[in-house]
Amino acid sequence: GENVEQHPSTLSVQEGDSAVIKCTYSDSASNYFPWYKQELGKRPQLIIDIRSNVGEKKDQRIAVTLNKTAKHFSLHITETQPEDSAVYFCAASPSGSYIPTFGRGTSLIVHP
Amino acid sequence: NAGVTQTPKFQVLKTGQSMTLQCAQDMNHEYMSWYRQDPGMGLRLIHYSVGAGITDQGEVPNGYNVSRSTTEDFPLRLLSAAPSQTSVYFCASRNPRTGGNEQFFGPGTRLTVL
Repeated sequence: GENVEQHPSTLSVQEGDSAVIKCTYSDSASNYFPWYKQELGKRPQLIIDIRSNVGEKKDQRIAVTLNKTAKHFSLHITETQPEDSAVYFCAASPSGSYIPTFGRGTSLIVHP
Repeated sequence: NAGVTQTPKFQVLKTGQSMTLQCAQDMNHEYMSWYRQDPGMGLRLIHYSVGAGITDQGEVPNGYNVSRSTTEDFPLRLLSAAPSQTSVYFCASRNPRTGGNEQFFGPGTRLTVL
């Protein structure tokens, strides 16, 4: 089955800095890569996703890049704000798979 | 729409007790799944269902049972609770028919087994 590795496990930045979280996957058949944000005590919620036919996708201050050859994808957050503090999960879903496989999560801390 | 709902929000059990975690969704989603979340371990899949009457095991199914008699409900049963089952449990659903891959999560159940 699919295996997703996520790094770093903890990321601490100053407000206004950029943050980058990286994930690698093992199954070359994976074609859907979502990112979820989980605030403290809340449920995970989808913030951005990318499909394998696209190399990059942006939504305001967040962007995701995908390198299919190297089998890795990354989340980029620019101009970080304290409200970006949360745990972020990447996931990968092979074509025909019912359920995605999640990474272990990155705790992002944005210091004011 | 209420989305995905879970009850109870909190539960404390003694070792050996059994209980059922309830999950319901009102979005007519075919796919439903149960995850457990432990510190540093991410979201690990316990069981999932692709429709009423169909269930399958995920990554960590031991000690848990599920059934799916209706599209709306997907209860998770702990047969004989163990301290290792102390965790936060999330139910999720999605609708493959609309082409959507987004998982909609419930608010979670925090379970402590003493």
